[in-house]
Amino acid sequence: QVQLQESGPGLVKPSETLSLTCAVSGYSISSGYYWGWIRQPPGKGLEWIGSIYHSGSTYYNPSLKSRVTISVDTSKNQFSLKLSSVTAADTAVYYCARDNSGGVEIFFDYWGQGTLVTVSS
Amino acid sequence: SSELTQDPAVSVALGQTVRITCQGDSLRSYYASWYQQKPGQAPVLVIYGKNNRPSGIPDRFSGSSSGNTASLTITGAQAEDEADYYCNSRDSSGNHLRVFGGGTKLTVL
Repeated sequence: QVQLQESGPGLVKPSETLSLTCAVSGYSISSGYYWGWIRQPPGKGLEWIGSIYHSGSTYYNPSLKSRVTISVDTSKNQFSLKLSSVTAADTAVYYCARDNSGGVEIFFDYWGQGTLVTVSS
Repeated sequence: SSELTQDPAVSVALGQTVRITCQGDSLRSYYASWYQQKPGQAPVLVIYGKNNRPSGIPDRFSGSSSGNTASLTITGAQAEDEADYYCNSRDSSGNHLRVFGGGTKLTVL
């Protein structure tokens, strides 16, 4: 069974960089698939942040692209998110998920439990 | 703004059938997937591809598509189906970008 677990600081100061890691168990990232980050501000809907292929190719939401970096560490079987110059608008629950997209099918089949990140001084 | 449009709220009587829709240009070329999210929980995939259910998802959930509209149908809605539902697909640019609909709050009466 594939499992994902987010980790990182729950509080980040404005203008600083948010950093989160997603540890994957039950599947080797180097074997394939995309791996993605999605966030959800309190009381609002889901927003795709970006996805990374196991080989390192990345795709980012254009609205966040200038501030986002997603990387993968196959030796640790984990992938990471960095979001720079954060503001209160970046306060959200951040989810990592396996992005099982290919051809005409787009879907996220396994999700982490999510971690709340609050941006505040 | 989202490139996938959903009605904000839908209600259904217990045991009846409800359809939740998702509209977007990209749906003419790509399938939508659907997620159920209950308060305080992570989203759960309920439908993907043409009409596929992950293991453990009841068969009262089904998906369909026509033109620029994808639909999630719950046949015989149960109290536990009350949740937020989100559709997901590629954006209309075709540049490997993913997008979520704004979500539909389903109330089971």
